Amino acid sequence: GAVVSQHPSWVICKSGTSVKIECRSLDFQATTMFWYRQFPKQSLMLMATSNEGSKATYEQGVEKDKFLINHASLTLSTLTVTSAHPEDSSFYICSARIRGQGTYEQYFGPGTRLTVT
Amino acid sequence: GIQVEQSPPDLILQEGANSTLRCNFSDSVNNLQWFHQNPWGQLINLFYIPSGTKQNGRLSATTVATERYSLLYISSSQTTDSGVYFCAVELTGGGSNYKLTFGKGTLLTVNP
Repeated sequence: GAVVSQHPSWVICKSGTSVKIECRSLDFQATTMFWYRQFPKQSLMLMATSNEGSKATYEQGVEKDKFLINHASLTLSTLTVTSAHPEDSSFYICSARIRGQGTYEQYFGPGTRLTVT
Repeated sequence: GIQVEQSPPDLILQEGANSTLRCNFSDSVNNLQWFHQNPWGQLINLFYIPSGTKQNGRLSATTVATERYSLLYISSSQTTDSGVYFCAVELTGGGSNYKLTFGKGTLLTVNP
């Protein structure tokens, strides 16, 4: 149980285009979903937290107009990187917290590797 | 914000050896999780352990919340244990602290 999927697993796009990444909780409803970014050989950095039906809360320094997050349902959150530039190339990972389980445990998706050329 | 320090940063073992990874944190926590990030980037949940001791096969973990540290034990290591091990914590109290903060990780290499 507690499986989180992401799609696509990798994507290459041209500078100036937009890319959408989907995160789904496959076998549970998620109270909250989180988006992280990881650069090579570094730790995970939280970008934003989203709750179903409400606006995402972005961490300091994360441009909300560039990284659009939509949490349309209890099982789906999307991250859209708008007007992508090479510096946006990174590994993006989502996670989800199970609704109603009474614990704080998070489950992570397999990640999406974005390369902007 | 909360500080999470992991040690050692790098560890090289021969197959069959045992190891202990440490995670120190600076404040009271609701949540502490240990993860293994495999070579493809997938974070695998090892333990959800805000306090106490748990065991799963060759792995076990202990969190002493009052002293603000957690230990991950790996026994009889195998080459497939190689990868980065992360500790992540969430502060007690929620609100703006309602999020996991990750340590920098321990890079484990197990040689055959």
